[in-house]
Amino acid sequence: KAGVTQTPRYLIKTRGQQVTLSCSPISGHRSVSWYQQTPGQGLQFLFEYFSETQRNKGNFPGRFSGRQFSNSRSEMNVSTLELGDSALYLCASSLAPAAANTEAFFGQGTRLTVV
Amino acid sequence: GESVGLHLPTLSVQEGDNSIINCAYSNSASDYFIWYKQESGKGPQFIIDIRSNMDKRQGQRVTVLLNKTVKHLSLQIAATQPGDSAVYFCAENASGYSTLTFGKGTMLLVSP
Repeated sequence: KAGVTQTPRYLIKTRGQQVTLSCSPISGHRSVSWYQQTPGQGLQFLFEYFSETQRNKGNFPGRFSGRQFSNSRSEMNVSTLELGDSALYLCASSLAPAAANTEAFFGQGTRLTVV
Repeated sequence: GESVGLHLPTLSVQEGDNSIINCAYSNSASDYFIWYKQESGKGPQFIIDIRSNMDKRQGQRVTVLLNKTVKHLSLQIAATQPGDSAVYFCAENASGYSTLTFGKGTMLLVSP
């Protein structure tokens, strides 16, 4: 059974550009959550999707957005990139929404560097 | 939500020793807890979880203890191996909330 797949693994972007990251959850999982990980702030929640609906959003500016498709794959987009957006972006999948307290499994992450 | 924190930023042990990693949480509504292991360059790996109706749960070489009275969680690793070297995070959630809240992490260093 394949795990959570995130693409691409590494990205280098210039300030002001936009970026789209992709996450394919474990087969059968319908919930996808996104996190930003930085050395200073640790793991911070971005948003959660379940059945194509955003269930919750963390404290990030509107430049950060996401969506989920009918096959449960999810994308997140960051527009007008800033240097501070450099981070490891992690996707976690679970069978049910996080509110149901189910096991969440992470992908390898996408390392975004903004220069 | 309220924060989850770890007491020790770095724990150094010898191979074969038992390791104990601690975590304090402050949200009394938290009822679900997960320990993750993150190796350099990789995403967090699920180790073990525990719900608030339990005090202890065992896995392969790992045991999680939950003390709800003092809001404390610990991860015990038996016969620690060099491959256990990583950053360990505890995460908590309260039923009905759509987000896991993570602690800052503890680095475990295992010397051969």
